[in-house]
Amino acid sequence: ILNVEQSPQSLHVQEGDSTNFTCSFPSSNFYALHWYRWETAKSPEALFVMTLNGDEKKKGRISATLNTKEGYSYLYIKGSQPEDSATYLCAFMYSGGGADGLTFGKGTHLIIQP
Amino acid sequence: DTEVTQTPKHLVMGMTNKKSLKCEQHMGHRAMYWYKQKAKKPPELMFVYSYEKLSINESVPSRFSPECPNSSLLNLHLHALQPEDSALYLCASSQDGTAFVSGNTIYFGEGSWLTVV
Repeated sequence: ILNVEQSPQSLHVQEGDSTNFTCSFPSSNFYALHWYRWETAKSPEALFVMTLNGDEKKKGRISATLNTKEGYSYLYIKGSQPEDSATYLCAFMYSGGGADGLTFGKGTHLIIQP
Repeated sequence: DTEVTQTPKHLVMGMTNKKSLKCEQHMGHRAMYWYKQKAKKPPELMFVYSYEKLSINESVPSRFSPECPNSSLLNLHLHALQPEDSALYLCASSQDGTAFVSGNTIYFGEGSWLTVV
């Protein structure tokens, strides 16, 4: 059973502040790490797909880093806005499984307070 | 068009009913997935179809029966479900269904909320 851990479970942040949260995953047989943003009653939206150790990706005010040797990824949000409120899921893909299936963490529930 | 469409959005069924969940994508993706999500838990992979063939069945009970009639459609047939099967069922697709293309983005539908009574 693969263990993908996200912390914190939930986070309240003031509008305008920057924040970050963590995804931990097995460091062996790494294949890819996905980040999703999931708003209530909508479909999970893909933010990043990261495959290489040291990868840094950016999309507007959101960025992510990847360390496959120690098995963690950070997601950063700069200057939080109310529309950033959502659950952020990371998902791990490992080699050797022969599938494109993802193992998800439980998510970090982010609430931006005006 | 980066859309995965799922119907119905909500389904209530009895334990003796037979129903189906449907999923459609027109992005030319060759891999499609069913995930199940219970409250406060992460989505769990159920099935993977790659090039319209079932490639992964994650030990899902036989009361769930997937079907991929063509490359755009994925169904999940439901029969003799239990109340504990009540959950959000998410369909997803990605461009290529092989394990060698690890950088594929996976696109999700909004899900079908299933309640078994």
